[in-house]
Amino acid sequence: EAGVAQSPRYKIIEKRQSVAFWCNPISGHATLYWYQQILGQGPKLLIQFQNNGVVDDSQLPKDRFSAERLKGVDSTLKIQPAKLEDSAVYLCASSPDRGLGNEQFFGPGTRLTVL
Amino acid sequence: AQKITQTQPGMFVQEKEAVTLDCTYDTSDPSYGLFWYKQPSSGEMIFLIYQGSYDQQNATEGRYSLNFQKARKSANLVISASQLGDSAMYFCAMSAPNAGGTSYGKLTFGQGTILTVHP
Repeated sequence: EAGVAQSPRYKIIEKRQSVAFWCNPISGHATLYWYQQILGQGPKLLIQFQNNGVVDDSQLPKDRFSAERLKGVDSTLKIQPAKLEDSAVYLCASSPDRGLGNEQFFGPGTRLTVL
Repeated sequence: AQKITQTQPGMFVQEKEAVTLDCTYDTSDPSYGLFWYKQPSSGEMIFLIYQGSYDQQNATEGRYSLNFQKARKSANLVISASQLGDSAMYFCAMSAPNAGGTSYGKLTFGQGTILTVHP
């Protein structure tokens, strides 16, 4: 079974530029998550999708971050414009459903450096 | 709001010995789940073990066991017979209902504990 795929693995941009990350979850997983992990900290949820609908985006900085999951499969996360404090690893995860005990399977992450 | 606290920034253990990584949590929800994930230097998050708030017995998965003390709100991870490959960052995380009660999926993570296994 293929795992969660993410691309690119690394990205370096200058502040005020735009960037987009892509995630392909495990086949059949209805729930998809984007987390931000700043160096030395635990991941923080940015947005959660159930199929192609948003379940939770309460911690997404909506003035600069956007995300979509068209057709309920792949997802993209965009930052426009980027700030220095956006430097982090962006992790995508998926799970079969959004129930209490559902294990989340994580992708390898995209490491973003904003100069 | 949910909160996870890991008070040990770093831990050292000798190969083949057991080690306990501490985790305390805070939530007002009666239904919640507790997870432990391992993050090696390569960056991927690897699921280790899960404990539900209504589970009567402590969870075990191979060399990993979760010491769940509900009254103390603690969920410590015990790794037996440590191996060099266990050296990594370990995160405790909790899932609980979101604000609308429509999902339990959101994980709240602690700050992590770096474990170093010495030969």
